[in-house]
Parts: sequence; structure tokens; C-alpha cells
Amino acid sequence: EAGVTQFPSHSVIEKGQTVTLRCDPISGHDNLYWYRRVMGKEIKFLLHFVKESKQDESGMPNNRFLAERTGGTYSTLKVQPAELEDSGVYFCASSQDRMRGMNTEAFFGQGTRLTVV
Amino acid sequence: DQQVKQNSPSLSVQEGRISILNCDYTNSMFDYFLWYKKYPAEGPTFLISISSIKDKNEDGRFTVFLNKSAKHLSLHIVPSQPGDSAVYFCAASPYNTGTASKLTFGTGTRLQVTL
Repeated sequence: EAGVTQFPSHSVIEKGQTVTLRCDPISGHDNLYWYRRVMGKEIKFLLHFVKESKQDESGMPNNRFLAERTGGTYSTLKVQPAELEDSGVYFCASSQDRMRGMNTEAFFGQGTRLTVV
Repeated sequence: DQQVKQNSPSLSVQEGRISILNCDYTNSMFDYFLWYKKYPAEGPTFLISISSIKDKNEDGRFTVFLNKSAKHLSLHIVPSQPGDSAVYFCAASPYNTGTASKLTFGTGTRLQVTL
């Protein structure tokens, strides 16, 4: 079974440009999360989709970031316009629905390393 | 304000010995705790978790201990193996959010297991 896949693995763009990151979750996983790790610091939550709906977007830094999950399958995260501080590794994760009171494990993709110069 | 703290950025342990990685948290709403392992150029991989109703969870060479009163958890790896060399992230989430919860991570501890 394929894991969580992210495209591209690396992206180098100039300040002011637009970049779109893509995440394909594990098939059947309704929950999709975006996280970001900046400069070797902690991995920070950005937002959470349940199917196509945004369940929680409290971690989105500002309105230059736009996440979509049309049809409840893959998701995109667009940064427009990119700033230097947006550089970091963007991780996507997915999980099944929580069942019978049990938390379910989140599976992470390999991440997209974004460098804004 | 960092709610999950891993105060040791790195740890070096000899092969065969015990590795102890520590994590402290400040948010009393956290009820579920996880450890993730991360190799370079890969995403974090789930290792082991513990619910707040327990104080210990064991899975093979890995054991997680939780001290709720001290808001402290630790991961023990015994015996340590060279393949355990990676960055270990502590993470926490509230238990009752209905679905697999958003995770609050620490900054990670880089474990180096030497021969």
C-alpha cells in the first residue's frame, strides 16, 4: 500500500513568487494534516482537513497560505507570494477516522523542502 | 510559547546500552502522547504512544513512561542499536477531539548510537 506522498521533494523559489505543494494521502484516509518545520525547530501544525472540509486551520501563519482539498482526496498548499521566512520543510500526514474512542496514528509523508531566496 | 519541550538537542549512547530521551509538557489538556522517529530526508515515523490513563507502555525495545503530575514523559530504548540513530520527536494531543488529533511537537533530540 502506498504511503503519504508529497510533491515536489524540493523547491527553490524567489521571494514574491508562488509555490504549490501537493500531498496525496493514504487511500481511504479522511483526515489530512499539514505541518511545517522551520530551521530545525519543532514541527508545527498548520491545518487539518476532514475529507474536503477544513476542520482546523488555526496554525496557518497568514493569508498568504491557501490549502485546498477538492473532492476529499489529494490536497494542495499554495504560498503566494512567498517570503523568506516561509522556508522550511512542509510535511503532510493522513489518518483514518477515530473509531471507538481510540486515537489513530498519523502517517507522514517525506516532506517538501521549500527554500525562498 | 512552546508547550512540548525536549531540552536535550542531542544524545550519544553506546551500542547495547540504554537510551533515555526526555520530554516535558505544559498544557494540562494533553492526554495522549507519542514518540516519532525521523531519519534524514524522510517524514516522521510513529514509534510508540501512551494515553494519560497509563503510566507505562512497552513495545519490544521501546518503553514510554508518563508522569502526569510532573508533566514529563520519557522514551527508553534498550538495548540501543546503531539503526536507532535518528531524531526523536515527542508529540502530544488532546484525547477527546473526535478524530486523530493535531499534534504539538517538541524540537527533537538527535540520538547517535555508537559502536
